[in-house]
Amino acid sequence: EAGVTQFPSHSVIEKGQTVTLRCDPISGHDNLYWYRRVMGKEIKFLLHFVKESKQDESGMPNNRFLAERTGGTYSTLKVQPAELEDSGVYFCASSQEPVETQYFGPGTRLLVL
Amino acid sequence: GQNIDQPTEMTATEGAIVQINCTYQTSGFNGLFWYQQHAGEAPTFLSYNVLDGLEEKGRFSSFLSRSKGYSYLLLKELQMKDSASYLCAVRDHASGGSYIPTFGRGTSLIVHP
Repeated sequence: EAGVTQFPSHSVIEKGQTVTLRCDPISGHDNLYWYRRVMGKEIKFLLHFVKESKQDESGMPNNRFLAERTGGTYSTLKVQPAELEDSGVYFCASSQEPVETQYFGPGTRLLVL
Repeated sequence: GQNIDQPTEMTATEGAIVQINCTYQTSGFNGLFWYQQHAGEAPTFLSYNVLDGLEEKGRFSSFLSRSKGYSYLLLKELQMKDSASYLCAVRDHASGGSYIPTFGRGTSLIVHP
């Protein structure tokens, strides 16, 4: 069974540009989560989808971040316009049920210059 | 919210035993996870404790004391490949029912010959 995949693995952009990250969860997992780890800090929750609906987006930093999961399969996280402090590793995770263990993707390393 | 504390770095010798501690404060404890993360890779699920006691899984064991807000991950017969970051994450069912885990900063374990 394929695990959670994320694309791209790395992205280097300039301040003010737009970047879109993609996550493909494990097949059949209705629950999809986005996290971010800024250098030197802990992994922090951004938001949680159940199928195509946003269950919890309390961790989204501001309105420059937009997450979508049209059709309830893969998800995208767009940052527009990107700022320097958005640099970090963006992880996606999925689970069958909210109470069950989350399985993580390898992350997208975003560097904003 | 949760305050999760774990040592930043530990070193150990191949073949030895190492214990990584994690303390936490939470208002509605609903489970504690340990993840292993090699550099540049996805966090990988190791264990889940929701009741007090020791859970053993091969060379790895995880212990939980809810009354003390304390857990440890025990790694036996250390191998060089065990060099990684170990993340403690606590779930709080008071977080709007979405069961989102809060992560510690991770403990970087270095195993040397």
